[in-house]
Amino acid sequence: NAGVTQTPKFQVLKTGQSMTLQCAQDMNHNSMYWYRQDPGMGLRLIYYSASEGTTDKGEVPNGYNVSRLNKREFSLRLESAAPSQTSVYFCASSEQSVSYNEQFFGPGTRLTVL
Amino acid sequence: SQKIEQNSEALNIQEGKTATLTCNYTNYSPAYLQWYRQDPGRGPVFLLLIRENEKEKRKERLKVTFDTTLKQSLFHITASQPADSATYLCALDDNQGGKLIFGQGTELSVKP
Repeated sequence: NAGVTQTPKFQVLKTGQSMTLQCAQDMNHNSMYWYRQDPGMGLRLIYYSASEGTTDKGEVPNGYNVSRLNKREFSLRLESAAPSQTSVYFCASSEQSVSYNEQFFGPGTRLTVL
Repeated sequence: SQKIEQNSEALNIQEGKTATLTCNYTNYSPAYLQWYRQDPGRGPVFLLLIRENEKEKRKERLKVTFDTTLKQSLFHITASQPADSATYLCALDDNQGGKLIFGQGTELSVKP
């Protein structure tokens, strides 16, 4: 089992460009999450999907959109990248969207917006 | 809203000693508290979960305590090893349907 996979691993964008970060999990989990991690800020939730067919905003959703393509895949889209979106992005999954379920994280995507 | 504070300064200890990391929260007491380990360039990995009605939880050399009166969790690594060097994150439930709120993490360095 690969667990949670993310592509790409690294990306450099120019301001205004768009891109989609891909995430897939092979653990048959219902819930998936997108976080960003900035120095000194910890992990902040961007969007999550409690189950296939549903998505909800997290703490910092502005400038992002998500798609829960199927039970396995959850993508994050930046429509018009800004330097403030330079960050490390992590996708995670859990069996259910409950706080006693551990979350499994992918390896991250390091995004730089110039 | 809930705020979480972890030691912002890195913790440096000698191999064999016990490392103690602190996680303080400011608002409501969470029903669950989780601890994760994160190595440089990698995603966090789950270590332990403790429930609000549990005072202490152990797993091998790891011990977590949860004091709802002090609004604090302590994370201990006994007989620390250089391989324990990493950043440790605490996470609390957001009291709104199962999402987690993460602290900023504490970097631990264990010297041989």
